Amino acid sequence: QQQVKQSPQSLIVQKGGISIINCAYENTAFDYFPWYQQFPGKGPALLIAIRPDVSEKKEGRFTISFNKSAKQFSLHIMDSQPGDSATYFCAASKSQGAQKLVFGQGTRLTINP
Amino acid sequence: GAVVSQHPSWVICKSGTSVKIECRSLDFQATTMFWYRQFPKQSLMLMATSNEGSKATYEQGVEKDKFLINHASLTLSTLTVTSAHPEDSSFYICSARRGWTNEKLFFGSGTQLSVL
Repeated sequence: QQQVKQSPQSLIVQKGGISIINCAYENTAFDYFPWYQQFPGKGPALLIAIRPDVSEKKEGRFTISFNKSAKQFSLHIMDSQPGDSATYFCAASKSQGAQKLVFGQGTRLTINP
Repeated sequence: GAVVSQHPSWVICKSGTSVKIECRSLDFQATTMFWYRQFPKQSLMLMATSNEGSKATYEQGVEKDKFLINHASLTLSTLTVTSAHPEDSSFYICSARRGWTNEKLFFGSGTQLSVL
């Protein structure tokens, strides 16, 4: 019940296209859903996060869509750029208390020029 | 944003030696720090959770005598890989949490450990 399943494992998108990465969770107690971006040889950096009281959150070219009933959330990257090429991880946890983040398996995104 | 400094960024050592990795929260006091291990093209695997002044809580399957964690202050946690072997070669990442919400969780830049 602690798993977060992420797909696809890898994704290739043309410059200017839309990149979509999906995640599904099992634990209905989770109430914090962040997305992290990781470049090779670096630690993850928070990209955008959402709480379940909203169905969508947008920050610049990055949007999270959240479907509470389906227990799914996704990251959309609009107008994808070569600089967006990185590994993306979704995660989930309870927001309060000493709760561990549960990470998805990661998606290697490549944006072709 | 908050800064978590991890040092060294890479280290090469001989088999049988011990290696210490430092994780510092530079501009905030971290109530909790986490240590992760990441193999190439894989996700982050939580190794242990440490709170200042108390013993670390290790995840199942992680040898606490092998991976010593010390969280002596609210801004510093260390991971010591004792008697390192080639199979310990990996990318180690720390994170520090300000307060009790994961919305204030910040990651270090990682340490690549290579054991010869």
